[in-house]
Amino acid sequence: DGGITQSPKYLFRKEGQNVTLSCEQNLNHDAMYWYRQDPGQGLRLIYYSQIVNDFQKGDIAEGYSVSREKKESFPLTVTSAQKNPTAFYLCASSITGASSPLHFGNGTRLTVT
Amino acid sequence: KNEVEQSPQNLTAQEGEFITINCSYSVGISALHWLQQHPGGGIVSLFMLSSGKKKHGRLIATINIQEKHSSLHITASHPRDSAVYICAITGNQFYFGTGTSLTVIP
Repeated sequence: DGGITQSPKYLFRKEGQNVTLSCEQNLNHDAMYWYRQDPGQGLRLIYYSQIVNDFQKGDIAEGYSVSREKKESFPLTVTSAQKNPTAFYLCASSITGASSPLHFGNGTRLTVT
Repeated sequence: KNEVEQSPQNLTAQEGEFITINCSYSVGISALHWLQQHPGGGIVSLFMLSSGKKKHGRLIATINIQEKHSSLHITASHPRDSAVYICAITGNQFYFGTGTSLTVIP
C-alpha cells in the first residue's frame, strides 16, 4: 500500500543538538510539506517542495532546514537555532500542490530538554 | 487573525447523536478540506470540496462559497468517531483551522 512513513514516532534530544526527522513517500507525489503542530494552534508550514532539488520556506522556517535529493524523501533537520523545537511534526504530500488532497504521515513527536 | 475559524473547539456527544462542526474562512479558495486526526496523531483526508455537498458513509460535508462557510455532519455518531476534525482551505497554499475535538460517549 502506498503512503507516507515518518520515523521515528518519538524523538528525544538535548538542547543544542541538531536532529533530523525522516519522511519517505511511495505515492509518486511531486509536492511534499513539513508542518508543525502545537496545542491550540493550526498546522503551520515549515518548508515545502514542489519538485526534486527545489524547496521553499514556509511561515516558520527559521531554525529548520530540509533537502529534496530524491522524489520520495524530504528529511527535516531541526537545528540548535530553533528556539522552541519541542512539538509534533507532520510530513505531507500531494500530487501537484495546493489544488490536490494532502496525504499525511503519522507524525514525529520531538521533545528537546 | 486566522484565515480559518472552526466551531466549536470541543464537542461531547452521546452515541447516536447528529453532530455538526462548522468552518468559516476569510479568503478566496480553490477548495476546502476536512481532515480527521486520531489520538495517535496521524491525519487522514475525509473530503475535498469546492461546491455543494459530498457524502461518505455517515459523514456529510457541505460548502457555501458565497457565505464562505462549510459544515461537517456526522450522522448516528459512534465512539470510534472520537477524533479532532480539522478544516483546511487551499488558495495558493494550505491554511488550517485549529480543529474541533469530538468525543462520542457510549
